[in-house]
Amino acid sequence: DQQVKQNSPSLSVQEGRISILNCDYTNSMFDYFLWYKKYPAEGPTFLISISSIKDKNEDGRFTVFLNKSAKHLSLHIVPSQPGDSAVYFCAASARYGGSQGNLIFGKGTKLSVKP
Amino acid sequence: DAGVTQSPTHLIKTRGQQVTLRCSPKSGHDTVSWYQQALGQGPQFIFQYYEEEERQRGNFPDRFSGHQFPNYSSELNVNALLLGDSALYLCASTLPGQGRYEQYFGPGTRLTVT
Repeated sequence: DQQVKQNSPSLSVQEGRISILNCDYTNSMFDYFLWYKKYPAEGPTFLISISSIKDKNEDGRFTVFLNKSAKHLSLHIVPSQPGDSAVYFCAASARYGGSQGNLIFGKGTKLSVKP
Repeated sequence: DAGVTQSPTHLIKTRGQQVTLRCSPKSGHDTVSWYQQALGQGPQFIFQYYEEEERQRGNFPDRFSGHQFPNYSSELNVNALLLGDSALYLCASTLPGQGRYEQYFGPGTRLTVT
C-alpha cells in the first residue's frame, strides 16, 4: 500500500509558465516532507522541504505548499525553465526513536519544460 | 566539499553471487541510509546506520546486510543475488540535530544480476 502517491506520471509545461507537481499521503504520522529532483544517471538532488508545523515554504523559484487536512502537498516552480526538466520525487518521513525516520518516496513525476 | 560518493558505479553479477557496495557520506554527516530504486519506481528504504549500528530497517530480507565504519562510511552487502535485485542502489547521508532532516544522495550504484 503506497503511503506517498504522485498520481501524475508526467507533466509538460511551457518555458516561463508555472509548473505544479502534486503529492498525496496517507500516513498522518508524517511530519516532514521533501521534494527531490532526479536527472538520469544521477542520484536525487534535494530541492526543498517543509515541516508539518508550516503550510508554505519558499526558496527562490520553488515553493512547497502543505495542506495537512487534505494530506496533500504541492511543489510550484515559477518561472519554469528547460533545465528544470527532470523526474521530481515527493518524500515524507515521521519521527522515529527521537530522530527523524527514513524517507518514503512517491513514484515520481516526469516534468518536461518546452522552450 | 565532497558530496556523497559511492563505488562502484556499475556492477554485473550472476544469480547466487554476493555483492558489496560502498558509500562515503558527505563531510560532517554521521548517518547513512541505503535505498533501492527499481526502474520506474521511487527509492525504497533498506536500512539506516548511525554510530555503527543499524538504527532502522525497511522491508527487505536478511540477505541484505550492512555495516558502518568509525569514519562513518558504510557498506551494503547482498547475498544469494536474485534477478529481482537488479536496481539502482542509492546511499544518502544526513546531518542530524539541526531541526532539518534532508538526506543527501550519492550518484548510486547500478547493479545488474544476470
